[in-house]
Amino acid sequence: DTEVTQTPKHLVMGMTNKKSLKCEQHMGHRAMYWYKQKAKKPPELMFVYSYEKLSINESVPSRFSPECPNSSLLNLHLHALQPEDSALYLCASSQDRAFTYEQYFGPGTRLTVT
Amino acid sequence: GENVEQHPSTLSVQEGDSAVIKCTYSDSASNYFPWYKQELGKGPQLIIDIRSNVGEKKDQRIAVTLNKTAKHFSLHITETQPEDSAVYFCAAKVNAGKSTFGDGTTLTVKP
Repeated sequence: DTEVTQTPKHLVMGMTNKKSLKCEQHMGHRAMYWYKQKAKKPPELMFVYSYEKLSINESVPSRFSPECPNSSLLNLHLHALQPEDSALYLCASSQDRAFTYEQYFGPGTRLTVT
Repeated sequence: GENVEQHPSTLSVQEGDSAVIKCTYSDSASNYFPWYKQELGKGPQLIIDIRSNVGEKKDQRIAVTLNKTAKHFSLHITETQPEDSAVYFCAAKVNAGKSTFGDGTTLTVKP
């Protein structure tokens, strides 16, 4: 099973809402990543978890809050977002420590902030 | 930091023709170069990669070449098919560092 799953597929939220994105993998990978992707642009790294500990935060605004409850799950909590935060949010995972091996991406959550 | 330039930004070919996408990188320490294919509504999928100790790698209709001296690498797709239509991203990284992506190439294969 080489699959990274993400829920929901689509999310529309107002600027005052609180919502969460979920990512799951069952490949035994110990590194998990959140990326943000705008239309026709490459993915931009947001956060990296390595062995369930946050190892990289790419200066992401605090309205985005990541969480790694266990080695298979990764959440991204959203609060007080801005319209410019509308994008495709991608989760990825890789074997062992962060960036050591190839990354496997999920299908993404298409987020629209109204 | 690393800078990756990718060309062309759009590429249209006839089915059965070959397609070539080129990337250049700036950091001579980069030693891993993956290529991702992203279809509409999906996340990027790794299609082929190459490490700096190898000059060329092939997987069926897809090949990647690397010129370390010139700091560029290329993706070659032969006998293109409509299902090859997608956005392709190159990337470069150093060991356990994060990947730097190119800006992407939108490939359209016309039947």
